[in-house]
Amino acid sequence: AQSVTQLGSHVSVSEGALVLLRCNYSSSVPPYLFWYVQYPNQGLQLLLKYTSAATLVKGINGFEAEFKKSETSFHLTKPSAHMSDAAEYFCAVSEGDSNYQLIWGAGTKLIIKP
Amino acid sequence: GAVVSQHPSRVICKSGTSVKIECRSLDFQATTMFWYRQFPKQSLMLMATSNEGSKATYEQGVEKDKFLINHASLTLSTLTVTSAHPEDSSFYICSASDRGRWNEQFFGPGTRLTVL
Repeated sequence: AQSVTQLGSHVSVSEGALVLLRCNYSSSVPPYLFWYVQYPNQGLQLLLKYTSAATLVKGINGFEAEFKKSETSFHLTKPSAHMSDAAEYFCAVSEGDSNYQLIWGAGTKLIIKP
Repeated sequence: GAVVSQHPSRVICKSGTSVKIECRSLDFQATTMFWYRQFPKQSLMLMATSNEGSKATYEQGVEKDKFLINHASLTLSTLTVTSAHPEDSSFYICSASDRGRWNEQFFGPGTRLTVL
């Protein structure tokens, strides 16, 4: 069965510092992996996705993530945090073309300190 | 492209009434739509998956007679919360997929339901 683990329900970084949000997954088939961002009282916006092409994926707003099969990880990073990055971030995995259903991590709230 | 709208964005209703939430794909054909429920400070809980023209597939523990889902066209799905009670108060989010987009779901902005 697939599952997603996001380490840290809250992550706090200073403005301008590196952002690192951790995501580990388990899957019996080659996974598709996603990071979504949710601002308060809003729906989800796709940041980036991995679909078996390049292992380093660049997304919107300066975020990127690297798929590491040996570590079953898909951590999200951004070199320099901005106040506008404060939001909830969700990692998700799916099995691919045969199953559109997403398995969600619990989410990580990113807090940016001025 | 790939815009999904939800209406209404907020609704307050009295206990015992029914509420309908609409989810529309504005610029693509949504062959599959998903309905989620999100409790405060928690992740999304999938309620059901619907394919256009067929009955929705509900997740375990979700009452299909309570949460009626209709996906009558490739651009519209509706969720009706029947005989709503305060415990149904939540944030409901829909998403939509089409077969040409590599397994990606496009999310609506969500509907905040408050049952008094």
